[in-house]
Order: sequence, then C-alpha cells, then structure tokens
Amino acid sequence: NFMLTQPHSVSESPGKTVTISCTRSSGSIASNYVQWYQQRPGSSPTTVIYEDNQRPSGVPDRFSGSIDSSSNSASLTISGLKTEDEADYYCQSYDSSNLVVFGGGTKLTVL
Amino acid sequence: QLQLQESGPGLVKPSETLSLTCTVSGGSISSSSYYWGWIRQPPGKGLEWIGSIYYSGSTYYNPSLKSRVTISVDTSKNQFSLKLSSVTAADTAVYYCARQVDGALRPWGQGTLVTVSS
Repeated sequence: NFMLTQPHSVSESPGKTVTISCTRSSGSIASNYVQWYQQRPGSSPTTVIYEDNQRPSGVPDRFSGSIDSSSNSASLTISGLKTEDEADYYCQSYDSSNLVVFGGGTKLTVL
Repeated sequence: QLQLQESGPGLVKPSETLSLTCTVSGGSISSSSYYWGWIRQPPGKGLEWIGSIYYSGSTYYNPSLKSRVTISVDTSKNQFSLKLSSVTAADTAVYYCARQVDGALRPWGQGTLVTVSS
C-alpha cells in the first residue's frame, strides 16, 4: 500500500495564503481522488475538499485543492487566512482495493 | 440532512472486545451509492481508517487491524457496527463513523472516546 506524507506544521499570518502539501509514496496521485479534512480542537473532522478540488456546500471559496502529477502530490491552498482556519488538516485517498489512507496531518497556525 | 451517531461503552478492559454501533438518520444505509466506515484517532495523534462496509455486507479492512476487526450492518435498524477484539491500551482512541462516497468520508459522526483500562 502507499503512504501520504504531509508537513507536520505550517504557520502564516492572517490575510495571507498558505499551501499544505500531501505527497503519495507510490502509485499515481491522479489514480484515486484526494480529500482534505479540517479538524478543529475537540471536534470531528469535516470535509473541505473532495474529489481533488471540489468544495462541499458551505465551504468558502478561499479553500481550493489541486493535484500535481509531476511531484505526485496534492495541495490544499487557503487564501485570505482567518484565525478560524487554525486547525489540523488531513489529506486522504484510497487504493484500487478500496483501502483508505490518511496523511499524518498538518497543524496550521494562523498568527 | 444525514447524521451519524456512535454509541457504546466508554471503558473496555484489556483483552476484551470493543463494540460500537453507528446509527444513521436522515437517510438510508441501504443506498447503493455508499459505503459506511469506521475511523479512529488516539489522543493527540492522527486519523486511522479501520474499515468500511457496504449495505450488502461486503467489507474492507485496514490490513494492520484485519485480524481483530469485524464490521457488520443491520439495515432494519439503519445501523452498522464495529467489533475489535483483544484490545490493549494502544486501542484507546476516539472512534468515528462516517459515510463513504467515492472514497471520501462525509459526513462524520461526533465521535466517541473508548478507553482501554482495567
């Protein structure tokens, strides 16, 4: 099976733009959809991006997702950062056997 | 609006079997479009997928847990369940259930903390 590797933490100032990467260890990142989840302290995860770049209703368009086959990675970009965006973010995908894989998570600090 | 709610004992003794149920409301668990999954998160750590089930009973398990996990579905009650045998302190975690569609887990239940301790 493959692994998804994320940076342990990132930080940026309010109003700026931050990008969180998620690199797939083997197999093509384009083979299976990538999702991104936001988890605030004490809460369950919520989906901010699904199917690589789709936003669920209610998620602001400041959140965007993309994949890059050249680096075999997916990215979550948050623009116009707000203090409320401070949370843990997890990428997730799956393989041809329907086995689900999570990245290790990235702690976003907005300071 | 689809909602999922986990329920079960919050404390389990080492070597015993952890049993949790997820009740689905606002939609049918028998929909042909969805799988239903269990995920856990040890305190202060990341998310770990445990396994998923289709309404027909087809299952997929995390290979690292497969020997100890059983997921089942009860369509008459709109519920699916998790059993994890021979638990140790390493199985202490918040356990979540979620609907799985095209590989994406959404929405999630609120989660339930299960502590393994004597």
